[in-house]
Formats: sequence, structure tokens, C-alpha cells
Amino acid sequence: GAVVSQHPSWVICKSGTSVKIECRSLDFQATTMFWYRQFPKQSLMLMATSNEGSKATYEQGVEKDKFLINHASLTLSTLTVTSAHPEDSSFYICSARDWGGASTEAFFGQGTRLTVV
Amino acid sequence: GESVGLHLPTLSVQEGDNSIINCAYSNSASDYFIWYKQESGKGPQFIIDIRSNMDKRQGQRVTVLLNKTVKHLSLQIAATQPGDSAVYFCAESPLSQKLVFGQGTRLTINP
Repeated sequence: GAVVSQHPSWVICKSGTSVKIECRSLDFQATTMFWYRQFPKQSLMLMATSNEGSKATYEQGVEKDKFLINHASLTLSTLTVTSAHPEDSSFYICSARDWGGASTEAFFGQGTRLTVV
Repeated sequence: GESVGLHLPTLSVQEGDNSIINCAYSNSASDYFIWYKQESGKGPQFIIDIRSNMDKRQGQRVTVLLNKTVKHLSLQIAATQPGDSAVYFCAESPLSQKLVFGQGTRLTINP
């Protein structure tokens, strides 16, 4: 089946620095990818929809200047958390749907645990 | 609006019993529904999906039931095993792609 790979799986950074998270579709092309954030014992909350070759669409309340999304190719989307603060510590998960596959199943990366100290 | 979970409901079942996890969805325009399993520290894993033109779909040991009248979705797991311990999320989506997740249910298995 289709695979979505996310890197890194965990990262610790100092407050004020920026962190980049990569999301790759390994065996299919994804014109659209999705970025979620998940706090402990909570559900996944959609942050933004990443569109290949165009600007990302952000959900209400998500700061686009803080969470920079770049979808430069059909297999790669990146999320950069800029000027990270401890409250940005969370589990970030990306997803992509293989519209060319047999189903419209959404595949998820393994997630990135971000800790800002 | 988006579903936001403030706490996780918990379901405890005996090993070998059947589990039923319920979910209420919010958007009457949603026509695609999915159940995901999430183990600690991992991304969601697809279990089973169903489209709005169906009311039941079966997989291996799992069954999803959809009641569009009351906007209710359920996941039935037969003969629950220790490996089924996880948090289970329902998700809804119009075919325009965006998935909205429900609050999740933690399933624990008693030996």
C-alpha cells in the first residue's frame, strides 16, 4: 500500500529557533497533503492543507507566518515551525491521499514529536 | 465546526469479547467516513472506511456501521485481542479531501 514518510520522528529544539519537518509520499504523487497537530490525550486537529505549487490553506486560528508550509514537489511537503516556543511542543502528523489508487484512503506519516525547551 | 477532544473516553473490554466504539459526526455533508487506530507515539493507522451510500461494511474482524439519520458511526471489533489496545478515532470527510477527526476512544483490554 501507499506509504507516507515523515522526518524527523522526534526533535528537541531551543526556544526561538526554527524546526523543519518533512513529509514524503514514497510511492505515489500527492498534489495535496495535510498537516495535523495533536496534543496529549487529544484528537488530531487539522492545521493546514498543503497544495503542490500553490499557497497552503490554513485552518482558522493557525498562524501562517509561524507555521510555514512548502509543497514544492508532488512527493514532498515541509512544515517549518518558526521561532518555536514551549507551547508549540506537540505531535505533528502529515497525511496524503492517493487519488490515483484504488481507494481514496488517507495515509499518515509516523508523526514528529516536537519538544521546545 | 472542527471536532476538538478535551479528554479521551475509555472503553474496557475482556479479551475475547466484542468491542463497540461509537462516534457522532457533525457535518451532514460528509460522505466518506474512516476509522483509525493510533498507538502511543505513532501516526493513525487506517482500519476501515465507509461511504454514505452504505450503512454497513465488514473487514477482517471489524465492522463499521453508519446511521446517517442520526449522524452516528460505530466500529465493532470481534474477539478483541491485546493488540487491539489503542486509541480509536473516527474521521469524516466530504470528497473534497479534508478529514476532520472525532475526539477518540481509548480501548483497553482486560486479560
